[in-house]
Amino acid sequence: SQKIEQNSEALNIQEGKTATLTCNYTNYSPAYLQWYRQDPGRGPVFLLLIRENEKEKRKERLKVTFDTTLKQSLFHITASQPADSATYLCALLNAGNMLTFGGGTRLMVKP
Amino acid sequence: GAGVSQSPSNKVTEKGKDVELRCDPISGHTALYWYRQSLGQGLEFLIYFQGNSAPDKSGLPSDRFSAERTGGSVSTLTIQRTQQEDSAVYLCASSSRGGYSDTQYFGPGTRLTVL
Repeated sequence: SQKIEQNSEALNIQEGKTATLTCNYTNYSPAYLQWYRQDPGRGPVFLLLIRENEKEKRKERLKVTFDTTLKQSLFHITASQPADSATYLCALLNAGNMLTFGGGTRLMVKP
Repeated sequence: GAGVSQSPSNKVTEKGKDVELRCDPISGHTALYWYRQSLGQGLEFLIYFQGNSAPDKSGLPSDRFSAERTGGSVSTLTIQRTQQEDSAVYLCASSSRGGYSDTQYFGPGTRLTVL
């Protein structure tokens, strides 16, 4: 069956460090992968989209990699700030041409 | 401009009652999605509307769930004979074209609690 796995344990890091979140998937051949941010009590907000032929995508302090051989995407936040604390979700296109979301990883950046 | 809005923000109901949840998408967006998010879980796809095409209902968990979209804009998700396991946050999203690379814009959600 198709699975998208994100670390369900919260990631705690110190302000200024780089946060790295992982998204692993099985039984998918996605053409696209998206990352969203979700704050408590709010809907997810789109951050980045990366295509299968793109190894890396950057946006300000954010960097996403996409390794279709490893079936993994890494999401990096450099120079992290307490305001980056949130849950981060990855999403893939499933066989029905719909986005399927992972369970998300909660990031806590401590000052 | 206005984003996606949902109402009510919170709904508490008794088991067995019917509920209606409303979504107002971003004006001009042709695609509309409903998801369900249980505590600490990812988003579970429920239903997808694209323009005037027949909706993709493949994610609806049972025939107690239905949704409609009137005039290609506002959508209502109806849950009949609610059960305690229906308790979750129901999120609506819209996108301009509906393609799989299209960005989805989410509303704040409706938190449903079934007692």
